[in-house]
Amino acid sequence: KNEVEQSPQNLTAQEGEFITINCSYSVGISALHWLQQHPGGGIVSLFMLSSGKKKHGRLIATINIQEKHSSLHITASHPRDSAVYICAAQIQGAQKLVFGQGTRLTINP
Amino acid sequence: GAGVSQSPSNKVTEKGKDVELRCDPISGHTALYWYRQSLGQGLEFLIYFQGNSAPDKSGLPSDRFSAERTGGSVSTLTIQRTQQEDSAVYLCASSYYGPYEQYFGPGTRLTVT
Repeated sequence: KNEVEQSPQNLTAQEGEFITINCSYSVGISALHWLQQHPGGGIVSLFMLSSGKKKHGRLIATINIQEKHSSLHITASHPRDSAVYICAAQIQGAQKLVFGQGTRLTINP
Repeated sequence: GAGVSQSPSNKVTEKGKDVELRCDPISGHTALYWYRQSLGQGLEFLIYFQGNSAPDKSGLPSDRFSAERTGGSVSTLTIQRTQQEDSAVYLCASSYYGPYEQYFGPGTRLTVT
């Protein structure tokens, strides 16, 4: 079993829908990262959180430390949100990231 | 300001040749990371530098892989005697030390023929 599991692996939705991507981890962490990778490969950091909730525009990330679970939400989804979203755990006492397999999101107009 | 840069952006090499991949981190970032993304696979950690030291090399797949960092800045990942399974996108990232956002470079796409 991977240390970081994401679901779903693929998600297709219509423009405007509310999107949720889930991430569960089995290790102790110092932080949980959400990354976005567009076709063409560039990786952008969306959020880094160690507790509670963060919001940036239409994106919201939450984490429940006790349940070892995080979610990424996208409100009013748009075709430009189409990308691979990657959850990554920063291992407690270490700097490296351990990655989930990614969720490929496609938003149709 | 300038982000993380990597060179070359693409590298095609013959099996058995050595290659060097370069990473220029964001100025002031003491932590530097190398990751690899193979075709159709997820991201995997290779090595982490704090300053010029590498306290975590646990992800290097074999002794053909090595890396160094000089002046607390530029890092070079060297792959000796390349094999076809080394074909992947090699990504560099940098951050401040601790639980901080990591900033990724554009990657070097390595193809071993």
